[in-house]
Amino acid sequence: DSGVTQTPKHLITATGQRVTLRCSPRSGDLSVYWYQQSLDQGLQFLIQYYNGEERAKGNILERFSAQQFPDLHSELNLSSLELGDSALYFCASSPLSGETQYFGPGTRLLVL
Amino acid sequence: GEDVEQSLFLSVREGDSSVINCTYTDSSSTYLYWYKQEPGAGLQLLTYIFSNMDMKQDQRLTVLLNKKDKHLSLRIADTQTGDSAIYFCAERPGNTPLVFGKGTRLSVIA
Repeated sequence: DSGVTQTPKHLITATGQRVTLRCSPRSGDLSVYWYQQSLDQGLQFLIQYYNGEERAKGNILERFSAQQFPDLHSELNLSSLELGDSALYFCASSPLSGETQYFGPGTRLLVL
Repeated sequence: GEDVEQSLFLSVREGDSSVINCTYTDSSSTYLYWYKQEPGAGLQLLTYIFSNMDMKQDQRLTVLLNKKDKHLSLRIADTQTGDSAIYFCAERPGNTPLVFGKGTRLSVIA
């Protein structure tokens, strides 16, 4: 158990819908990262937050957004969902030094 | 650009050593990582190495880093069926988020 929690574990929804994925980092970690894992693209970095502020942006679509709250949990919002958004979404957190990232168990999203 | 390459599959017999190889392109990478992903699970950090080291050993795991060739390997001694998983190599260029390879699926034959 990495100490990073993600909810829900599974999500099934329809095209055009909007969903919110939630992540709680390890105690004391200020950085949260979101990644998407799909069969064709592998693991792709989406976005990073550090202590509530956006720190880095990767291959995140405009339909997707994220935020980190004062209690350091983070949410990833996916809207106008398409079939191709079906993937595993991982959250990771890292301590201040940033050397290591610890991953949560992921949320498996299926868009029908 | 950033790119991490790994072979997709490796099959070994139980009790043998496994060696999973990885090449990366960014010479500014300060840390290099190995993660393990079991079916239906998240990524588990196995080990990582700082770029000024050339070897790190942790129980059955040995990481070798050849910085000149930008080559990283993970050796698992006495491979067990529980080691069957996908192994991801990742680099961290500078202070940026991780860049992952596509993963190597290790199958251990009893």
